Amino acid sequence: ELKVEQNPLFLSMQEGKNYTIYCNYSTTSDRLYWYRQDPGKSLESLFVLLSNGAVKQEGRLMASLDTKARLSTLHITAAVHDLSATYFCAVDMKTSYDKVIFGPGTSLSVIP
Amino acid sequence: KAGVTQTPRYLIKTRGQQVTLSCSPISGHRSVSWYQQTPGQGLQFLFEYFSETQRNKGNFPGRFSGRQFSNSRSEMNVSTLELGDSALYLCASSFLSTETQYFGPGTRLLVL
Repeated sequence: ELKVEQNPLFLSMQEGKNYTIYCNYSTTSDRLYWYRQDPGKSLESLFVLLSNGAVKQEGRLMASLDTKARLSTLHITAAVHDLSATYFCAVDMKTSYDKVIFGPGTSLSVIP
Repeated sequence: KAGVTQTPRYLIKTRGQQVTLSCSPISGHRSVSWYQQTPGQGLQFLFEYFSETQRNKGNFPGRFSGRQFSNSRSEMNVSTLELGDSALYLCASSFLSTETQYFGPGTRLLVL
């Protein structure tokens, strides 16, 4: 079954702390995306990871991809309130249908 | 540079009707993708167009169709609307499909 899982689904963290969101997927993929969504808003692209070992960083967010383990991580460093949002990973599966499959999202709340 | 625009932003239809949604990508972008977001199913990939050709399609019934014009503008059509088609429909554009996508504000469709 084609599946993308995220852990945790809900995360409440204090400002200044570090944390990691995990994205596991069930089949071969060569492309993984991370998105952010604020309540009632559209999606914002954060990262596109195209190869095994890819690491990208933007501000307090860093994403990595391990295609062998079928795992991507989104690491948050020294969280600030503005990072409160829902984060989705999406995987480009090598299938005929459902080419891009999204995870359920991780709802992050950063508490001052 | 103008962002991705979607029209209309809100729409109310009744079961059995059909609807056409429009997406104007960022100038120069040739790839346009469509996504559906519902509280129950989450985010789901609908289709991707590149230079007027449908490159990929998600697992949706044939009632969902789309097209892309020579100026890269895209439309999606849903025929014989069902209650479950009520959703936020998002369009995203990029220069190439491997690059960062830029999302429009979405069209919120309510089917009564």
